[in-house]
Amino acid sequence: DARVTQTPRDKVTEMGQEVTMRCQPILGHNTVFWYRQTMMQGLELLAYFRNRAPLDDSGMPKDRFSAEMPDATLATLKIQPSEPRDSAVYFCASGSGFSEAFFGQGTRLTVV
Amino acid sequence: AQTVTQSQPEMSVQEAETVTLSCTYDTSENNYYLFWYKQPPSRQMILVIRQEAYKQQNATENRFSVNFQKAAKSFSLKISDSQLGDTAMYFCAFMKHGNNNDMRFGAGTRLTVKP
Repeated sequence: DARVTQTPRDKVTEMGQEVTMRCQPILGHNTVFWYRQTMMQGLELLAYFRNRAPLDDSGMPKDRFSAEMPDATLATLKIQPSEPRDSAVYFCASGSGFSEAFFGQGTRLTVV
Repeated sequence: AQTVTQSQPEMSVQEAETVTLSCTYDTSENNYYLFWYKQPPSRQMILVIRQEAYKQQNATENRFSVNFQKAAKSFSLKISDSQLGDTAMYFCAFMKHGNNNDMRFGAGTRLTVKP
């Protein structure tokens, strides 16, 4: 049963700490998306990758956020330093680029 | 940039009845995909139905069907015989066809099915 795996599922951290969220896309998928979901902004596209190369990260605050794909089986989203306004659910999704995206279960981040 | 608009923040329907959720989008592209995703309280995003823009025939998946009006840039979702398990947030999404094809979402519609 192929699925996108995200870790951790929940994370509580103190303001100023570094947060790393991980995503294992479905094997064979060449497109990876990172979304942030909040009540106020809905689902915002932060960044996406095709064949591990970043195609668009314009939705991501560059001063504190970074996204990478060290290899085809791992995508990471890092926040340093974290702030309370970063509290949200972060989703990773993967796809073939010519069909729907399959979502992980998300990481609920709370920054206190 | 493509935009997706869902004008109904909340809707409710009686169990076993039919409900239609609206979605409009703005694009200059000719080839693209449209999707409806469901997000129940578990927060998992689940694909409900997809439509390729080049197909004139409206997609159907069991109790779910769409009314795709390409010229009007409209993509509504009809849920027939509503069930309690259909209670969820529903998101409309747009994706261009081609190499640079990010997926953009509407703000969502919260649907409540009442017994």
